[in-house]
Amino acid sequence: RKEVEQDPGPFNVPEGATVAFNCTYSNSASQSFFWYRQDCRKEPKLLMSVYSSGNEDGRFTAQLNRASQYISLLIRDSKLSDSATYLCVVNENNDMRFGAGTRLTVKP
Amino acid sequence: GAVVSQHPSWVICKSGTSVKIECRSLDFQATTMFWYRQFPKQSLMLMATSNEGSKATYEQGVEKDKFLINHASLTLSTLTVTSAHPEDSSFYICSATTWATGIRDADTQYFGPGTRLTVL
Repeated sequence: RKEVEQDPGPFNVPEGATVAFNCTYSNSASQSFFWYRQDCRKEPKLLMSVYSSGNEDGRFTAQLNRASQYISLLIRDSKLSDSATYLCVVNENNDMRFGAGTRLTVKP
Repeated sequence: GAVVSQHPSWVICKSGTSVKIECRSLDFQATTMFWYRQFPKQSLMLMATSNEGSKATYEQGVEKDKFLINHASLTLSTLTVTSAHPEDSSFYICSATTWATGIRDADTQYFGPGTRLTVL
């Protein structure tokens, strides 16, 4: 089993839709969690950090469920500019583990 | 926010040459830097973890004699691809973090803009 697993993509949604991604992790001692977005041929950029139960920033909400060992990312009112690959990153005792990424395409 | 730079941003070289990539944290001290490689349409693959003043820890399958990492200061780490071959062509990205205790976002990774290496 992979240490960090993400929903397989691609997700193709219309503008304005709400879309959610899940990410599961295998190490129950993982301390912190992150969502990054990566545009094609660019470096990942931090979208949200999750240290407790969740975090919200505008249209983006991240939730952490330690009992089930997953984090989710919810994007409301999606924009064309949200099209990117979303990477889930888990801090396992200072080892950062990346998911394979979920590709999102928002269409007009 | 924390800024990480990489140099060069892209490089084309002949097979057999060595290429050095620099990663700098511009406005914070990075106790740990990570080096990743990313092939087209694939996720980031961690190559090695570099702690200032000590030897890098390489991931399984990554040749330490081919990918030389030096983390000489708290703001600079270098990756040297020795005797590069076409299969080494990839997007190399570094990231930096502080691991400082008592700081909420201390384990956040800040990524450099990446270096695109093409080996002919």
